[in-house]
Amino acid sequence: AQKITQTQPGMFVQEKEAVTLDCTYDTSDPSYGLFWYKQPSSGEMIFLIYQGSYDQQNATEGRYSLNFQKARKSANLVISASQLGDSAMYFCAMREGYLNTGNQFYFGTGTSLTVIP
Amino acid sequence: EAQVTQNPRYLITVTGKKLTVTCSQNMNHEYMSWYRQDPGLGLRQIYYSMNVEVTDKGDVPEGYKVSRKEKRNFPLILESPSPNQTSLYFCASRIYNRQYYGYTFGSGTRLTVV
Repeated sequence: AQKITQTQPGMFVQEKEAVTLDCTYDTSDPSYGLFWYKQPSSGEMIFLIYQGSYDQQNATEGRYSLNFQKARKSANLVISASQLGDSAMYFCAMREGYLNTGNQFYFGTGTSLTVIP
Repeated sequence: EAQVTQNPRYLITVTGKKLTVTCSQNMNHEYMSWYRQDPGLGLRQIYYSMNVEVTDKGDVPEGYKVSRKEKRNFPLILESPSPNQTSLYFCASRIYNRQYYGYTFGSGTRLTVV
């Protein structure tokens, strides 16, 4: 089974509107971390936001928020007020385990977001 | 500036010619890793290292070697590259014992093997 599933290969959004990128994960470990990364066309990987499995509130970082639904094992990224510069590939990732026990990161296959002027 | 530096950014080589992609980080991170990124497959881990002289295989280690003689450096070696190793490669590092911290990635190396 896939550890991280991103079911939207490509998404389009109108500039200034909000968009949700889906991510579901699979783990039996009670302690894990969820991450979103952005990869613009230049290729670098940029960390956006983090959510810990024990965090009570959804993470937010500026225009990025993570809609964490633990029971459904989903960690959707919400981008508010989309900008042209948001056009990029977005990867959801998970780290299983806590402190010294968590070595492995799992990445989804990515969602390509295009912001339309 | 805290960063992971990979070199080269772009490389075209021929089948069978040994090559090394260098990776260096200046954040004193214990954990370093190599990934390859292919369309539709996301990022797959090649090798990782938890500290100096401690390395282990990831999901797709065949055809690759690594070494970790110093904490800051983690080179990726392709002894005999083949066309199926054409890919985008990322080196990444992170603090080992902090759940909050994700990876800091290098800028990537686009490798083409002809």
